[in-house]
Amino acid sequence: NAGVMQNPRHLVRRRGQEARLRCSPMKGHSHVYWYRQLPEEGLKFMVYLQKENIIDESGMPKERFSAEFPKEGPSILRIQQVVRGDSAAYFCASSPGDRGVPGANVLTFGAGSRLTVL
Amino acid sequence: QKEVEQDPGPLSVPEGAIVSLNCTYSNSAFQYFMWYRQYSRKGPELLMYTYSSGNKEDGRFTAQVDKSSKYISLFIRDSQPSDSATYLCAMLNTGTASKLTFGTGTRLQVTL
Repeated sequence: NAGVMQNPRHLVRRRGQEARLRCSPMKGHSHVYWYRQLPEEGLKFMVYLQKENIIDESGMPKERFSAEFPKEGPSILRIQQVVRGDSAAYFCASSPGDRGVPGANVLTFGAGSRLTVL
Repeated sequence: QKEVEQDPGPLSVPEGAIVSLNCTYSNSAFQYFMWYRQYSRKGPELLMYTYSSGNKEDGRFTAQVDKSSKYISLFIRDSQPSDSATYLCAMLNTGTASKLTFGTGTRLQVTL
């Protein structure tokens, strides 16, 4: 069981470029979540997706950020026209998501993608 | 006021000590309470989760939830240097799927 796989682990972008972060959930998990962690801060929820559906994007900045989880392939978090304030660790997590099943809401996190904007 | 408050530390204890980590929260709708451990530059790793109030024990770790006081604790017995990490509490209102609300984390250092 490879767990939640994220890539790239480290990404450097210049201001104005685009960043694409990828996440493959654990085998058997159909729910994907993206969280952002700024230095000295806790993880902040960004978006919750199921295959081909965005369920909750209440934590996503209104502009420049988008996420998808296509029918085939990994989930993608896309940041357009990056700014220095986007520098952070971005964590993906997955869960089985079956309500009523004990532990179904428990998230398993990947190792994160660390974005540095120069 | 943040929904979840956690002392950032750092907390330094000698090997073998009992460690007590705590969080308070303000949202009475939280029903699941979790503790994650995060080593430097790694992803959070789930240690324990508890539904509603009560205690749960797993090896050297004990989680306590007191919903009446909106206070949760994680106790680590016989602490080891390998326990040195940041400990994050996280909470969930099942009405919001798995949208966890995290504390800022407490950095623990266990010294020889």
